[in-house]
Amino acid sequence: DVKVTQSSRYLVKRTGEKVFLECVQDMDHENMFWYRQDPGLGLRLIYFSYDVKMKEKGDIPEGYSVSREKKERFSLILESASTNQTSMYLCASAFREANVLTFGAGSRLTVL
Amino acid sequence: GDSVTQMEGPVTLSEEACLTINCTYTATGYPSLFWYVQYPGEGLQLLLKATKADDKGSNKGFEATYRKETTSFHLEKGSVQVSDSAVYFCALTRSSGYSTLTFGKGTMLLVSP
Repeated sequence: DVKVTQSSRYLVKRTGEKVFLECVQDMDHENMFWYRQDPGLGLRLIYFSYDVKMKEKGDIPEGYSVSREKKERFSLILESASTNQTSMYLCASAFREANVLTFGAGSRLTVL
Repeated sequence: GDSVTQMEGPVTLSEEACLTINCTYTATGYPSLFWYVQYPGEGLQLLLKATKADDKGSNKGFEATYRKETTSFHLEKGSVQVSDSAVYFCALTRSSGYSTLTFGKGTMLLVSP
């Protein structure tokens, strides 16, 4: 089974802190994604990456950055966390030509 | 741009009732269509998909038919179980070619015994 592992299930941070959310997949997928899930808004794409060191902005990239130094790892970075970034963050991965995503269990971030 | 509209929830049903969750889409080209399910405390997992018009996706007793003429992909199940309680997301591939998905807002299903 493909596994997408998100390192932290629950995080509590303070406004202005730098936050790292880590995601690792073990099936050699080329594409990796970060989504944000909020009640009533569904899932919104923040960033995605189709290769090592490559990244593309999604629908809501403001306030976020990403890093993909190795194929299996895709990190989401909040340079200066704000309360409106309190949310559930979902990482996903897929083969390049496929359109079936495998998701991690999610990281619930609370910014106080 | 591409978009997905699905019925608002929660949908509350008794066990063994019939389920329909409506989903319509707006897209350029010929997207593939998906239903993902999210059980409490878990990430999303693929439930079923259809890649071209008139295709029917099915899994675990759920099914949906890709209707291009009505731009719809409604999810149906003839007899729901308590274990089907979850949030269901309709989604489509974008035309960008990077397998990015556009999701609907999700519909919560609550099934009581």
